[in-house]
Amino acid sequence: DIQMTQSPSSLSASVGDRVTITCQASQDISNYLNWYQQKPGKAPKLLIHDASNLATGVPSRFSGSGSGTDFTFTINSLQPEDIATYYCQQFDDSYSFGQGTKLEIK
Amino acid sequence: QVTLKESGPALVKPTQTLTLTCTFSGFSLNTIGMRVTWIRQPPGKALDWLARIDWDDDKFYSTSLKTRLTISKDTSKNQVVLTMTNMNPLDTATYYCARIGSDYDDAFDIWGQGTKVTVSS
Repeated sequence: DIQMTQSPSSLSASVGDRVTITCQASQDISNYLNWYQQKPGKAPKLLIHDASNLATGVPSRFSGSGSGTDFTFTINSLQPEDIATYYCQQFDDSYSFGQGTKLEIK
Repeated sequence: QVTLKESGPALVKPTQTLTLTCTFSGFSLNTIGMRVTWIRQPPGKALDWLARIDWDDDKFYSTSLKTRLTISKDTSKNQVVLTMTNMNPLDTATYYCARIGSDYDDAFDIWGQGTKVTVSS
């Protein structure tokens, strides 16, 4: 099974900050990676597909990059409504998720 | 508008079998490329993929849970059913179903609201 390791597990940032989350796969997954946002008490929401493509309707302050084993998720100019837990997910071999990164406002 | 909604018991006893139903609208599982999947999330923990069923009735399961899971579909009712046998307290979680549509390669693009299941005697 492919293991996905996210870092950090939590982070605190100020409104307007640039926030970066990393995700590392235990083996090469090409660009078969998605990012989801989960707000407290809600279902996850797809933000980024295929490592770097914004899902329909997602604000452009969200972006993703990477391929192979190392991936990055970025929020440019953090907004209060971005408070959530973010998950990476690989779909190269079955599916597996990272352990999540909980984002809080400073 | 695509929607999915999970239903099933809120409480099951250890060793019992859990049966969950995902009722969806706005798409058909007869359409080539459409798939429905199940994911769970224990309280305070990460997402855990369980199973997937495709438009052509192909079925895929989590390696660690495959002996306990069965997924099926009833296209006439727009429903997907997941059964999990021999439930234990570690299976306490919110269970989600989600669509894997044709807009993206393999992304869970629309999710249900989730249904909370507690395993306790």
